[in-house]
Amino acid sequence: QVQLQESGPGLVKPSETLSLTCMVSGVSISKYFWSWIRQPPGKGLEWIANIYNIGTTTYNPSFNSRITISMDTSKNQFSLEVRSVTAADTAKYYCASASDSARFDYWGQGTMVTVSS
Amino acid sequence: EIVMTQSPAILSVSPGERVTLSCRASQSVSSNLAWYQQKPGQAPRLLIYGASTGATGIPARFSGSGSGTEFTLTISSLQSEDFAVYYCQQYDRWPLTFGGGTPVEIK
Repeated sequence: QVQLQESGPGLVKPSETLSLTCMVSGVSISKYFWSWIRQPPGKGLEWIANIYNIGTTTYNPSFNSRITISMDTSKNQFSLEVRSVTAADTAKYYCASASDSARFDYWGQGTMVTVSS
Repeated sequence: EIVMTQSPAILSVSPGERVTLSCRASQSVSSNLAWYQQKPGQAPRLLIYGASTGATGIPARFSGSGSGTEFTLTISSLQSEDFAVYYCQQYDRWPLTFGGGTPVEIK
């Protein structure tokens, strides 16, 4: 069974870089689509970035090149970096996978990130 | 980007009622449309993909229809465990986009 588990810092200061990791079990990350999706408190879902085929990446343009998604096949995990964070980046960050097309079959439980000094 | 608009903004219903939720795309997404259910404190759960195909383990009371720009999620008889927020998502083009969600609340 596919399982995803996010890890992150919890609290990040404004202007700093947020780094998140998603550990995957039950399937090799060399398969499928792998995405990060976030949800600000009390609000809806926003897709951030996707990686598949060991390195093909797609980003949401609304992040103005502040983000980088990457994968480490040796650890079966993928990561997200968000640079120059502001309070608007405060959200629960989910990692998710899609076995076919970009509709998400599996989700992690999410990790809450607060941007505050 | 493709904008997804869901209606109604909120829905108050009684258990056992039939529920119909709508999702409209700003341009055609063919049948590349998914529906998710999210309960408080939980991650979203995939209900429907390909506009009308039920995901694994999803009860038959959930069904989807539509293509192009107009889509519908129907719950034939609402159960107590179905009170949640429902989101649509298009995966026809990057960037992937979600609708704003429709909360289904107890009347």
